[in-house]
Amino acid sequence: SQTIHQWPATLVQPVGSPLSLECTVEGTSNPNLYWYRQAAGRGLQLLFYSVGIGQISSEVPQNLSASRPQDRQFILSSKKLLLSDSGFYLCAWSVNSGSYEQYFGPGTRLTVT
Amino acid sequence: GDSVTQMEGPVTLSEEAFLTINCTYTATGYPSLFWYVQYPGEGLQLLLKATKADDKGSNKGFEATYRKETTSFHLEKGSVQVSDSAVYFCALSDGGGGADGLTFGKGTHLIIQP
Repeated sequence: SQTIHQWPATLVQPVGSPLSLECTVEGTSNPNLYWYRQAAGRGLQLLFYSVGIGQISSEVPQNLSASRPQDRQFILSSKKLLLSDSGFYLCAWSVNSGSYEQYFGPGTRLTVT
Repeated sequence: GDSVTQMEGPVTLSEEAFLTINCTYTATGYPSLFWYVQYPGEGLQLLLKATKADDKGSNKGFEATYRKETTSFHLEKGSVQVSDSAVYFCALSDGGGGADGLTFGKGTHLIIQP
């Protein structure tokens, strides 16, 4: 069966510090991978998606970047965090099936102080 | 573009009450429709899905029917439990080769009181 991991689970970082969040998927090959952010108001915002190694599409220009160094690894980064980067970050995967449902990881709670 | 509209709540019900959470959508083509549930501090879990008109998705006592004529996908449960307290998201995928993200509603916070 497929599983998705995210770490760390929680993170408190000062403004201006770098960021690296990691997501890995097990039990599937060549998944589509996604990063979402969920702010306090509960809505989800798609940040990046990837259809393969080294292929990243950005949905919202901002202070963050993403990379996919391996087939089942997706990394969210920032060189200098802003207060507005605080939120709950969710990684998800899907495969090109007929319905395209996505499966989510447990999330990372980021607080920028 | 695509959009999903759902009541935000909070929706507060007593245990064993009947639940309806409305969801309507706008999309081009024939989207797939989903309901996700999010418990506090956790990621989203796929609750049920429907991929074509008149399909009924069901899971854990929850049901939703894909109504193309009314562009709706309302979530229902006959008798809710305290453990159903969570945030529920309606979402759609317009296909897009699967490479695009889902379009989510803003979520409905459901509170079930004993």
